[in-house]
Amino acid sequence: GIQVEQSPPDLILQEGANSTLRCNFSDSVNNLQWFHQNPWGQLINLFYIPSGTKQNGRLSATTVATERYSLLYISSSQTTDSGVYFCAVERFSSASKIIFGSGTRLSIRP
Amino acid sequence: KAGVTQTPRYLIKTRGQQVTLSCSPISGHRSVSWYQQTPGQGLQFLFEYFSETQRNKGNFPGRFSGRQFSNSRSEMNVSTLELGDSALYLCASSFGTGAMNTEAFFGQGTRLTVV
Repeated sequence: GIQVEQSPPDLILQEGANSTLRCNFSDSVNNLQWFHQNPWGQLINLFYIPSGTKQNGRLSATTVATERYSLLYISSSQTTDSGVYFCAVERFSSASKIIFGSGTRLSIRP
Repeated sequence: KAGVTQTPRYLIKTRGQQVTLSCSPISGHRSVSWYQQTPGQGLQFLFEYFSETQRNKGNFPGRFSGRQFSNSRSEMNVSTLELGDSALYLCASSFGTGAMNTEAFFGQGTRLTVV
């Protein structure tokens, strides 16, 4: 099956810093999403980005499908950005199955 | 519009018991999939239902089962609970037609503790 690797596993930054999270996947995919898991466990949708570039406020993401990676950029980090960020991919056959990376734990210090 | 609703939010069960978790998808979504999250194994796929049919199943024992109703609501059941079943169970909802790329939305999860 498809393997999804996220790096770095842990990232500690000062408030106001910028960060780049990376997601590599081992095969072609139809879907790619970035999620932020809040302290209560819910996965919050950040980007649905099978290819191309999207921006939403201080966050942006780029997926280069042909090279099998995606990047999530967070600029001017705030303490509320802390948490775990997951990359998740999906490849359609006859059914849906989302495969998650192991996540990047981001800690923003005031 | 309403998001994905999972009930209950928290559960404490004793080893050997069984448990049923519920997931109501976003209106119009026909695909519901279930995931188990544990500190050691991360987020793992359990199964996916579309139009009341199980289309895909992850690598979990037969104690884990599910079903989907005609209104797309889904339930998952775990029988003969083990301590290792303690986890956060997440449900995802999407259009799920397979032929088109669709975004998945997750519920708040059910945190199950087996004692």
